[in-house]
Amino acid sequence: DAGITQSPRHKVTETGTPVTLRCHQTENHRYMYWYRQDPGHGLRLIHYSYGVKDTDKGEVSDGYSVSRSKTEDFLLTLESATSSQTSVYFCAINRESLGGYTFGSGTRLTVV
Amino acid sequence: GESVGLHLPTLSVQEGDNSIINCAYSNSASDYFIWYKQESGKGPQFIIDIRSNMDKRQGQRVTVLLNKTVKHLSLQIAATQPGDSAVYFCAEKGPSGAGSYQLTFGKGTKLSVIP
Repeated sequence: DAGITQSPRHKVTETGTPVTLRCHQTENHRYMYWYRQDPGHGLRLIHYSYGVKDTDKGEVSDGYSVSRSKTEDFLLTLESATSSQTSVYFCAINRESLGGYTFGSGTRLTVV
Repeated sequence: GESVGLHLPTLSVQEGDNSIINCAYSNSASDYFIWYKQESGKGPQFIIDIRSNMDKRQGQRVTVLLNKTVKHLSLQIAATQPGDSAVYFCAEKGPSGAGSYQLTFGKGTKLSVIP
C-alpha cells in the first residue's frame, strides 16, 4: 500500500505476553500513527510520531508503548497483552502534500 | 475484516443507482475533510478530500459536499457498482497547530450494493 507495510498480518498471543507490531515506510515521511479499530468504535489513535525519537500519546494509549529509532520504522509494543487488546491495528503515514493519511493493510491481533 | 461493518448504519442501494452517505463532524474549526473507503480485510483507502474554503468537490464518480453551517459532509457516488460495497467514513482535521497533524475519524457507514 503505497510504501507502507505492517508485520505481522495476523498474530495470536497469550495473555500477559509482550507483543511488538512493526510499521515500515519507504517514503521518508515525518508523521506516523498507530490506530486500533474495533466494532462500534471506529479508528482510535493509540500513539503517533512526528520524527525520530519524537512520539506522543493518543486517546487510547494505556497498555501500549512505541518507539521510532529511524524514520522508516514505527514499532508498537503491548508490554503485557490483555484480551481487551484484541483488535485490528493500523499504521498510517501522513503524506502531507498529498493530503490525508495512507494506511497499511492492518494487523489482526488476538489475545487468548 | 467483516467485523468492521458490525454496529454500523447500513445503506443498501440498487446497482446503478446513486448513493449518498452522510457524516456529521464535530469541530467547527476543522479546515480539511476526507472520505475513506474500507473494504473487508483491508486498510482504509483515500477517496476524496475537500478544504473548508470549498463547498463541493468532484472526482471520478464521487462528489463531496460540505455544509459548514450545520457541520455536515456528504459523499455522493454515481452509478453505484458492486465494487463500491464497503464501509465509508469521514475524517476531519482541526486547524493546524504546532507538533501534530491529526485526523478524527467518524464511525462509518456500511454500503451494500444489491446486484
